[in-house]
Amino acid sequence: GAVVSQHPSRVICKSGTSVKIECRSLDFQATTMFWYRQFPKQSLMLMATSNEGSKATYEQGVEKDKFLINHASLTLSTLTVTSAHPEDSSFYICSARGQGRGTDTQYFGPGTRLTVL
Amino acid sequence: GENVEQHPSTLSVQEGDSAVIKCTYSDSASNYFPWYKQELGKGPQLIIDIRSNVGEKKDQRIAVTLNKTAKHFSLHITETQPEDSAVYFCAARDRFSGNTPLVFGKGTRLSVIA
Repeated sequence: GAVVSQHPSRVICKSGTSVKIECRSLDFQATTMFWYRQFPKQSLMLMATSNEGSKATYEQGVEKDKFLINHASLTLSTLTVTSAHPEDSSFYICSARGQGRGTDTQYFGPGTRLTVL
Repeated sequence: GENVEQHPSTLSVQEGDSAVIKCTYSDSASNYFPWYKQELGKGPQLIIDIRSNVGEKKDQRIAVTLNKTAKHFSLHITETQPEDSAVYFCAARDRFSGNTPLVFGKGTRLSVIA
């Protein structure tokens, strides 16, 4: 299947700092990228959908000023958690869908474990 | 909007037995149904998917069946092995509806006992 990478895989930061997570589609052009959040033993919670070159569409209850999403190219999207607090600690996973791999199929990255102290 | 229900939430089987996970969906417009396997600490991996123009699809020990009339689809794993132990998610969407995201079930934790 297609490859989606995420960096970093794990990050620990102090409360109040900002953290940037990168998501890359390595072998296809991702016209649409999705960011999810997952708490232990729970399902995937969609945070936002982004299209290359456009502003992201956020799900209800997700603060767009806190979770900044940039999808500047067809292979890269970033999620920045601004002024992180302990309640932002979670597993963040990106997903990509796009050209050349079947526009139906969504491929997931390996996830980023964020711990805010 | 779409709503996907998944059962059971947990499933334990003996190695070599079969496992079946079932999902129902609410939106008759949905026509794409993937299944993902998520191992601990990792992102979900697509294992099989089916589109509404077919009723069954098989890939080695894994098969998915779709009943559009009843709006349900199922994952079948035969000859289970310990490495099949993971959380499995079903999902659904209307693939002709632009950027709509997948709607996921709540997941099934499968344990294969050696």
